[in-house]
Amino acid sequence: DSGVTQTPKHLITATGQRVTLRCSPRSGDLSVYWYQQSLDQGLQFLIQYYNGEERAKGNILERFSAQQFPDLHSELNLSSLELGDSALYFCASSIGAGEAPEEQYFGPGTRLTVT
Amino acid sequence: AQKVTQAQTEISVVEKEDVTLDCVYETRDTTYYLFWYKQPPSGELVFLIRRNSFDEQNEISGRYSWNFQKSTSSFNFTITASQVVDSAVYFCALSEGGAGSYQLTFGKGTKLSVIP
Repeated sequence: DSGVTQTPKHLITATGQRVTLRCSPRSGDLSVYWYQQSLDQGLQFLIQYYNGEERAKGNILERFSAQQFPDLHSELNLSSLELGDSALYFCASSIGAGEAPEEQYFGPGTRLTVT
Repeated sequence: AQKVTQAQTEISVVEKEDVTLDCVYETRDTTYYLFWYKQPPSGELVFLIRRNSFDEQNEISGRYSWNFQKSTSSFNFTITASQVVDSAVYFCALSEGGAGSYQLTFGKGTKLSVIP
């Protein structure tokens, strides 16, 4: 158990809908990262937050947004869902934006199925 | 741009055999970090190792060992005396860092099947 929690574990929804994925980082970790894992794209970085502020953006679609709250949990919002958004979404956390990249600890993931 | 290549898509070995998973990376930075993660059938990603670009010493942890060669931009992972529990997808990843943004760039992964 990495100490990172994600809810829900599974989500099935229809095209055009909007969903919210939730992540709680390990105790003491200030950085949260979101990744998408799909068969065709592999594991891709979406976005990073550090202590409530956006720190880096990767291949995140404009239909997707995220935030990190004062209690450090994070939410990833996916809207106008398309079939191609079906994937496993991981949240990871690390201690913080220190001097060097740190090991990231991953949650169990949320499997999103868009029908 | 950074890139990680894991040329071996799938490998099958018989239990107790040794197996090496290859990882080749590309980066323009002189300072970078390399990682290996394991994804067992249950789906979670498990951190195995982190290595910085200034430390080329090989590392051994039990049956696991890592060989970092800057000259060939490779960071290979060897499992000695493989076991069925080693069956998983293994990912190599790279982080260039800079200004506190430490996202990981992953390879496509190598699926290892250890046959009893």
